[in-house]
Amino acid sequence: LAKTTQPISMDSYEGQEVNITCSHNNIATNDYITWYQQFPSQGPRFIIQGYKTKVTNEVASLFIPADRKSSTLSLPRVSLSDTAVYYCLVGDTGGFKTIFGAGTRLFVKA
Amino acid sequence: EAQVTQNPRYLITVTGKKLTVTCSQNMNHEYMSWYRQDPGLGLRQIYYSMNVEVTDKGDVPEGYKVSRKEKRNFPLILESPSPNQTSLYFCASSLVEDTEAFFGQGTRLTVV
Repeated sequence: LAKTTQPISMDSYEGQEVNITCSHNNIATNDYITWYQQFPSQGPRFIIQGYKTKVTNEVASLFIPADRKSSTLSLPRVSLSDTAVYYCLVGDTGGFKTIFGAGTRLFVKA
Repeated sequence: EAQVTQNPRYLITVTGKKLTVTCSQNMNHEYMSWYRQDPGLGLRQIYYSMNVEVTDKGDVPEGYKVSRKEKRNFPLILESPSPNQTSLYFCASSLVEDTEAFFGQGTRLTVV
């Protein structure tokens, strides 16, 4: 399982775009990159998953460069309710047998 | 509504008193898993199951047991709980191995 490195915390203001970068230098050919969001005392919630290039859904975009050694989760126009911990996972599963690290604690201010 | 349901949500118990935390999913998922979450340590996998009667250890299985007799249920059993098992526990399920995992609301266990 590839080890990931993310910033421990980030601050932002409402309405701004937030980019959280995850480093995964040892990503394997079969590995996906998956991001989860977790609010205090709640279970993690799937945000987005990708393999290469760019993936976009209704809540976020995921940018993956050609070498796949890093990825960036982009949250457009964050609101106070986006304050949460964001986990970057790398593995050949979508969240199974995958290591959840410490994540990035995002704090959105008014 | 598609969901993973854990019970109880909160539990305080005494050292050595056997307990079971139930987990049930209504999505016909093959894969189910248990995690514990402790401050500063993130989520750590305890056990997982790939199908009925198929289970395997995760990263921190000591002191826990599981069973998967039915596809929808995956109970976590603590035969003799100890204070170091005080934690927030999450059950998760996914359709197959490489799809998104759905998590329950969590069970906060305190062992005194």
